[in-house]
Amino acid sequence: KQEVTQIPAALSVPEGENLVLNCSFTDSAIYNLQWFRQDPGKGLTSLLLIQSSQREQTSGRLNASLDKSSGRSTLYIAASQPGDSATYLCAVLNAGNMLTFGGGTRLMVKP
Amino acid sequence: DAGITQSPRHKVTETGTPVTLRCHQTENHRYMYWYRQDPGHGLRLIHYSYGVKDTDKGEVSDGYSVSRSKTEDFLLTLESATSSQTSVYFCATGASRDYEQYFGPGTRLTVT
Repeated sequence: KQEVTQIPAALSVPEGENLVLNCSFTDSAIYNLQWFRQDPGKGLTSLLLIQSSQREQTSGRLNASLDKSSGRSTLYIAASQPGDSATYLCAVLNAGNMLTFGGGTRLMVKP
Repeated sequence: DAGITQSPRHKVTETGTPVTLRCHQTENHRYMYWYRQDPGHGLRLIHYSYGVKDTDKGEVSDGYSVSRSKTEDFLLTLESATSSQTSVYFCATGASRDYEQYFGPGTRLTVT
């Protein structure tokens, strides 16, 4: 059974720092990996999707990498801002059409 | 976002009553999903649909049924609500299995 782990569970940084969020998964037979953002009391917003054949994806200040063989993905956020404060979730898609989610990293960016 | 709405947004119901949650999308996506989100368990798939009248079970399907009679609507029914089904329920859609999933705003359900 696929298991997805996100480290750290919580992170507090001053504004302007570059930061890295980590995601690891136990079964490397994935179709894709998706990073989401969730604000308190809200739904999930898709940030980046990396197909299994890709190594990275970029969107603005966000860059996500995928190393399928080692079961790892990282989300890099450049020049963090208070508006980036949210919970970040990674999820992997396996056979069976099921997204398996990690527990999330709760990020606080202090002004 | 994929133009996903969920109704109701909040509901309180009593144990043993049936409950139906509705998901409506405007993007003509083929795939639709129902998840629940609980502290300590994260997000888990309940059921999904890969076309009109085509559905399959997810990880936590016991006590739930779904129906999809139109591309744009996906209904989740709790046949006889229990307190363990108190949760936040999210609907998601995707154009195809391998593409991004887009999530709705969620429905907070409390079973007393």
